[in-house]
Amino acid sequence: TAGITQAPTSQILAAGRSMTLRCTQDMRHNAMYWYRQDLGLGLRLIHYSNTAGTTGKGEVPDGYSVSRANTDDFPLTLASAVPSQTSVYFCASSLAGVESYEQYFGPGTRLTVT
Amino acid sequence: GQNIDQPTEMTATEGAIVQINCTYQTSGFNGLFWYQQHAGEAPTFLSYNVLDGLEEKGRFSSFLSRSKGYSYLLLKELQMKDSASYLCAVLDSNYQLIWGAGTKLIIKP
Repeated sequence: TAGITQAPTSQILAAGRSMTLRCTQDMRHNAMYWYRQDLGLGLRLIHYSNTAGTTGKGEVPDGYSVSRANTDDFPLTLASAVPSQTSVYFCASSLAGVESYEQYFGPGTRLTVT
Repeated sequence: GQNIDQPTEMTATEGAIVQINCTYQTSGFNGLFWYQQHAGEAPTFLSYNVLDGLEEKGRFSSFLSRSKGYSYLLLKELQMKDSASYLCAVLDSNYQLIWGAGTKLIIKP
């Protein structure tokens, strides 16, 4: 069982370039989330989607955009990367409001913006 | 504002018991989660408490006091593989998880 997959595993990106981080889940979870994790800070929510076709802003949405065209996929786009976006990005999903709010995480993408 | 506090780092000995505390101040409360995260890996679910009291699951137990805004994770019979970060997270009034910065647990032989 794949669960949640993320791609790429890691990436070095020049400042000013755009990039899309991919996230796919096969658990038919309704809710999906994007977090960033930085040393000394907790996971911070970037964007979320409670169901296909809807998205919402989290704690740190600036510089990022998302879409949720279907249940399985939740890509995160950086339109013009800046060095402060260097971080580890985790995608997660849950059966929020349906079964439990336990979140399942993908393996993460390590992004370095130079 | 919303705030979750937990110690940055703790050290314990293999075979011993360790208690990791978490205090929180959040807008609403719909439960508290503990996750384990090994270095370089994704967080994985350990426990969920929504009512006061102790929940036991094998070597791990989690306690909640809603009136005190306090939880702890108790790890017994520590093993080297328990070396990891332990993340406390509160489900707030919007049903979003608010995360603490995590406690890095170092196990020594």
